[in-house]
Amino acid sequence: DTGVSQNPRHKITKRGQNVTFRCDPISEHNRLYWYRQTLGQGPEFLTYFQNEAQLEKSRLLSDRFSAERPKGSFSTLEIQRTEQGDSAMYLCASSPTTWAGEKLFFGSGTQLSVL
Amino acid sequence: AQTVTQSQPEMSVQEAETVTLSCTYDTSENNYYLFWYKQPPSRQMILVIRQEAYKQQNATENRFSVNFQKAAKSFSLKISDSQLGDTAMYFCAFMPYMEYGNKLVFGAGTILRVKS
Repeated sequence: DTGVSQNPRHKITKRGQNVTFRCDPISEHNRLYWYRQTLGQGPEFLTYFQNEAQLEKSRLLSDRFSAERPKGSFSTLEIQRTEQGDSAMYLCASSPTTWAGEKLFFGSGTQLSVL
Repeated sequence: AQTVTQSQPEMSVQEAETVTLSCTYDTSENNYYLFWYKQPPSRQMILVIRQEAYKQQNATENRFSVNFQKAAKSFSLKISDSQLGDTAMYFCAFMPYMEYGNKLVFGAGTILRVKS
């Protein structure tokens, strides 16, 4: 169990550029979540996958955001035409089961700065 | 929609002392789960303690315990014998009981500083 891994740890980009983040969940965890955390706030839910299926997307996830989880393993979160308001930490989490109240295991996040 | 409120943006405590972090939440549901997560400077969120709403007994994990008051919708965290390594941001979080999802709703967090 190597934990949830997120890359890159930091990303600085210019407004209008596209960025992609990667999350490697704990092996055999079938649930994967993306959250966004802005400065001074708690994380907010963006989307989640069960295996390769994306089951829910928050209203926070505009059309410029897309997430995938091919083959139910790692996941990518892409932001197109970045805006300064996208600056935040993007957290990934995974859980081993679909049981109610299951504990989520978090990664260390990708800190995005849009200049 | 559920909301979680942490009214203490920052707290300080002396090493070996006890501190209590407050959390209130709003929901119309009867079954749910409550969590306290710790986020140290390394940024990785770590589960501190978990409470099931249908259990009246307060959860305890070593030096960490909660005071769960379901009627008052209150879920405070008590840290006993505080250690320097407890310095972190603490988030209270709510998880509704759902067949699918297990999504967490977080409060804004409380920064805890343990002083030597």
